[in-house]
Amino acid sequence: GESVGLHLPTLSVQEGDNSIINCAYSNSASDYFIWYKQESGKGPQFIIDIRSNMDKRQGQRVTVLLNKTVKHLSLQIAATQPGDSAVYFCAENVYGNKLVFGAGTILRVKS
Amino acid sequence: DAGVIQSPRHEVTEMGQEVTLRCKPISGHNSLFWYRQTMMRGLELLIYFNNNVPIDDSGMPEDRFSAKMPNASFSTLKIQPSEPRDSAVYFCASLGAGGTYEQYFGPGTRLTVT
Repeated sequence: GESVGLHLPTLSVQEGDNSIINCAYSNSASDYFIWYKQESGKGPQFIIDIRSNMDKRQGQRVTVLLNKTVKHLSLQIAATQPGDSAVYFCAENVYGNKLVFGAGTILRVKS
Repeated sequence: DAGVIQSPRHEVTEMGQEVTLRCKPISGHNSLFWYRQTMMRGLELLIYFNNNVPIDDSGMPEDRFSAKMPNASFSTLKIQPSEPRDSAVYFCASLGAGGTYEQYFGPGTRLTVT
């Protein structure tokens, strides 16, 4: 089945701490994964992506880890800032150009 | 680039009325996607087009929903007749042919059907 659910977990972190947001995906054939950030009143915005032939990819302050054995994806944000507060979605490419999105995780940064 | 443009940004209508949402994708992008976002169901793909041709419309809820892409720079999503359960935020996204799957989202249209 697809990794879309009704539950929206919340992660609260102190400003300056590192954040880790997790995502489980369901399709072992998925070959591409994306993390999106959605701020209130806006559309999802691309953060970072990773292909299935990689385990780790780093961007600016963000790192994505992929564990294909357990079908798990994580997003690490270093030195979390108030501007990082948003809903974060993982998405997997199932076939063609189609992305399937997870339910999302709310990140709240406390100053 | 102005990014993906959607109009209107907000729409309030009465049950039974026709609603038309509009999208202008990023210039040069050849794939366009319509999504619906609700608290209950999250972000759902309704339909997507490649080179103006509908490829997958399996997410379209029912015959009341229809989408068109008459040219590479314009698409519409129409609901007729609208119902209160159609209330949601509708996003349009576009994708280039550069070998990634990174979709660029518009700001969305918040639809309220009373």
